[in-house]
Amino acid sequence: NAGVTQTPKFQVLKTGQSMTLQCAQDMNHEYMSWYRQDPGMGLRLIHYSVGAGITDQGEVPNGYNVSRSTTEDFPLRLLSAAPSQTSVYFCASSSAAYEQYFGPGTRLTVT
Amino acid sequence: GNSVTQMEGPVTLSEEAFLTINCTYTATGYPSLFWYVQYPGEGLQLLLKATKADDKGSNKGFEATYRKETTSFHLEKGSVQVSDSAVYFCALSAGGYQKVTFGTGTKLQVIP
Repeated sequence: NAGVTQTPKFQVLKTGQSMTLQCAQDMNHEYMSWYRQDPGMGLRLIHYSVGAGITDQGEVPNGYNVSRSTTEDFPLRLLSAAPSQTSVYFCASSSAAYEQYFGPGTRLTVT
Repeated sequence: GNSVTQMEGPVTLSEEAFLTINCTYTATGYPSLFWYVQYPGEGLQLLLKATKADDKGSNKGFEATYRKETTSFHLEKGSVQVSDSAVYFCALSAGGYQKVTFGTGTKLQVIP
C-alpha cells in the first residue's frame, strides 16, 4: 500500500514550457485534490475531483488543467509555465471523512 | 467565507518544554477541525481531528479541544522533543470536500 505517490519530485521548466505532474493513489478514495504551497500562504486548492470523470476548480485554477479518467490517477497539467507557478505542489486524496492523505510533493521552479 | 488563523512562527522551544500553537477559525455551520504536521521535505500528515464541539483530538502526545464558544482549536503538547520539529497546519472542513481551508502553518523548532 503506497498511499499517494507523486512524480517527479523536482522539476525545472523554462517559461512557456508545458508539463504534467503525476499523482496516483491506491486507497480507492473518491476525492482527490491538487494544492500549491507557497511561503506565508499555506495551501491553496487548485483543482479537485469527487470521482472519476468529475473535476472542478478550486481557489487558484488559472494556468492548470486536470482530468480524472480513473479512480487512481489525477494528473495536473501546466499549459504554459510562468514564474508565478514556481511552488511546491501536493496531491491529496480522501474518503468521505474529509481527512486528507498527501503525497510527498513536487518542487517546481520556472525560470 | 471560511478562514483559519494560526499564530505566527517560527516557535522555538527547548526540549521538554510545553507547547501551545493557537488556532482560531471562522466558518458557517459546524465544521470539522484538523491539525496536520509537515516534516521537512515531506507532505502533510493528519495529526489529529475533532468533529464536534467539546471533542478532544489526541495523537502522539498532542491534544486539541474543539471550542465552539471561542471558535478555537489550539494544539498542545506537554513535553516536546527534537523530533517534533516540523510545520503544523490547522484546517477546517465545512460544507463539503472542496471546502477544506488551511491556515498558513506554524513552524516549530525544538532545540536540545
